[in-house]
Amino acid sequence: DSGVTQTPKHLITATGQRVTLRCSPRSGDLSVYWYQQSLDQGLQFLIQYYNGEERAKGNILERFSAQQFPDLHSELNLSSLELGDSALYFCASSPEVSYNSPLHFGNGTRLTVT
Amino acid sequence: QQPVQSPQAVILREGEDAVINCSSSKALYSVHWYRQKHGEAPVFLMILLKGGEQKGHEKISASFNEKKQQSSLYLTASQLSYSGTYFCGTDGAQGAQKLVFGQGTRLTINP
Repeated sequence: DSGVTQTPKHLITATGQRVTLRCSPRSGDLSVYWYQQSLDQGLQFLIQYYNGEERAKGNILERFSAQQFPDLHSELNLSSLELGDSALYFCASSPEVSYNSPLHFGNGTRLTVT
Repeated sequence: QQPVQSPQAVILREGEDAVINCSSSKALYSVHWYRQKHGEAPVFLMILLKGGEQKGHEKISASFNEKKQQSSLYLTASQLSYSGTYFCGTDGAQGAQKLVFGQGTRLTINP
C-alpha cells in the first residue's frame, strides 16, 4: 500500500458528461501529480501541485482542470468527456517539489466513457 | 521531451539477466525507474541523480551517464516477480516539475 488513496476506483459515464477524480496524498507529502495512462500506453504527465499551488503543466487538455486543497487532497475535473478520454488516471505524491524523492502512486481511477 | 526506452519488450528465462536502456535528447538532472504490473500502480525502483547519487532497490542496479544523457537498468538473476513493464522518468533541471516517462519496456520472465 503506497498510502495514496484515489476514489472512485471505477467510473463509467457517457460522452459530454463531467466527472471529478479525487486523490489523497501520503501523510506528509506536499506534492501531488496527475498522470493519464491509456490502454497499454505510457504515463502521460498532466499536472503537478505543490502545497496548494500549481507548479507544472503537461499536455493537459483545456477540458481538464485540477486543484489542490488546503488539506492537500487534490481533484482532477474532466468535462465534455469524449471516448478518447477513457483511460486509467493515476495520482502520485511526494514530499518535495523537486524529483529527489520517489513518487508514490495510488491505485488509479479507471474511467470508461461510453 | 519524452525519453526513449529500449528494447520495447524482452522475454527471458528465470535466472537470466536483462538490461533496459533509457535515453533523452535533453540534459538530465535525475532519472527515475518504476515497475508496473498489469492493472496495478507503478512502483518505485530507483532514482539516479546528477552527480552520482543513487537511491533505490537492493537487488536492482542502474547507471546514469550524464554526458550521454542515458540511463540503464540492470536486472540480474531475474526472478518471476520481475515481470512487468518498466518505465524510466526523466526531468531536466533541479527543481523542475515535469517528470516525463518513457513508453515502457515490457519484461516477461518465464520459468
